[in-house]
Amino acid sequence: QVHLVQSGAEVKKPGASVKVSCKTSGYTFINDGISWVRQAPGQGLEWMGWISGYSHNTNYAQKFQGRVTMTTDTSTSTAYMEVRSLRSDDTAVYYCARGSSWYAYWGQGTLVTVSS
Amino acid sequence: DIQMTQSPSSLSASVGDGVTINCQASQDISNYLNWYQQKPGKAPKLLMYDASKLQTGVPSRFSGSGSGTDFTLTISSLQPEDIATYYCQQYYIVPRTFGQGTKVEIK
Repeated sequence: QVHLVQSGAEVKKPGASVKVSCKTSGYTFINDGISWVRQAPGQGLEWMGWISGYSHNTNYAQKFQGRVTMTTDTSTSTAYMEVRSLRSDDTAVYYCARGSSWYAYWGQGTLVTVSS
Repeated sequence: DIQMTQSPSSLSASVGDGVTINCQASQDISNYLNWYQQKPGKAPKLLMYDASKLQTGVPSRFSGSGSGTDFTLTISSLQPEDIATYYCQQYYIVPRTFGQGTKVEIK
């Protein structure tokens, strides 16, 4: 069975950074990429970007270019997403999802709260 | 970026009713369109991919249609467990984009 398990909730101050992990199992990690989607409280889904499972190729939404970095560790089948210079409007649930086109498997979500 | 516009934003229907949700893309996306169901506090669940292909395990009362710029998700007979917010998503180009969501409630 495919599983994506994310790291726990975080509370950060404005200007800080956060790194969310997404540990996968049940499939061959390098055969597929990982996408990241976020959802602000009471809002819709926002695609942030994608990273290949076997190379370091990435695609970021322009909105997040320069402030977000996605990485992978193939030895542990884990994907990471770091967001820097956090602002209050970065408060959201961050999801990882397997794939680049459609997302049949999702992590449980990680709530990141940005508050002074 | 491709804008995805869903209508209506919310709807209320009775158990057993047919329900239709529309999604319009700002440009031709062929059939590169997916539908998700999201319940409160949960991750989205893939219902349909490639506009009309039913994801494994999804009840057959769900169906999708359309191509180009106009797409539809239909629930043939609404059930209480279908109460959720539904999102369309295009994967024609990067960035992937989602519709704003349609909240379905029971009347």
